[in-house]
Amino acid sequence: EDKVVQSPLSLVVHEGDTVTLNCSYEVTNFRSLLWYKQEKKAPTFLFMLTSSGIEKKSGRLSSILDKKELFSILNITATQTGDSAVYLCAETNRDDKIIFGKGTRLHILP
Amino acid sequence: DAGVTQSPTHLIKTRGQQVTLRCSPKSGHDTVSWYQQALGQGPQFIFQYYEEEERQRGNFPDRFSGHQFPNYSSELNVNALLLGDSALYLCASSFGTGGYEQYFGPGTRLTVT
Repeated sequence: EDKVVQSPLSLVVHEGDTVTLNCSYEVTNFRSLLWYKQEKKAPTFLFMLTSSGIEKKSGRLSSILDKKELFSILNITATQTGDSAVYLCAETNRDDKIIFGKGTRLHILP
Repeated sequence: DAGVTQSPTHLIKTRGQQVTLRCSPKSGHDTVSWYQQALGQGPQFIFQYYEEEERQRGNFPDRFSGHQFPNYSSELNVNALLLGDSALYLCASSFGTGGYEQYFGPGTRLTVT
């Protein structure tokens, strides 16, 4: 059965620090890997990764996928208190199913 | 441009009752997926609707059923509610079944007592 594991489950850092969130997956017929940010209720889309080694970047956030080792990382540099949220990783397969991990709860201290 | 909308925002039901949750997709989207998110967990895929048909289903019992209307809006029905059905129910829309840039609605918080 397809599985997505995120680590750490929670993380507390100070404003200005850089964080790296991890996502490993086991999936048959992999299509893509997705990252979402969930603050209150609705997860908001961050990145979709389909190819190994190509970094996606948006402001202080960046992500990369390693299809050989079956993992992805999400980096946030110069963290701000507004980055506090749950970060969700999900994989999609060619059967159109989407499997989410449990998320990493990130708390940024001022 | 209205994003994904869901109703109601909150709902309290009693064990054994039935509930219907509603979702309107983002303008231009034709695919709706439903998720259940328990406290401290990631969203769990319930099912996906496209062209008014259930295309994919996660590991949820038949008590969970759905419908998609010609205007692409969707309903999630849960029968014979159990305490364990208490969760945040999220709806997400996308264009086509292969478009995984899904946009989520604010969710419906269901509490079963």
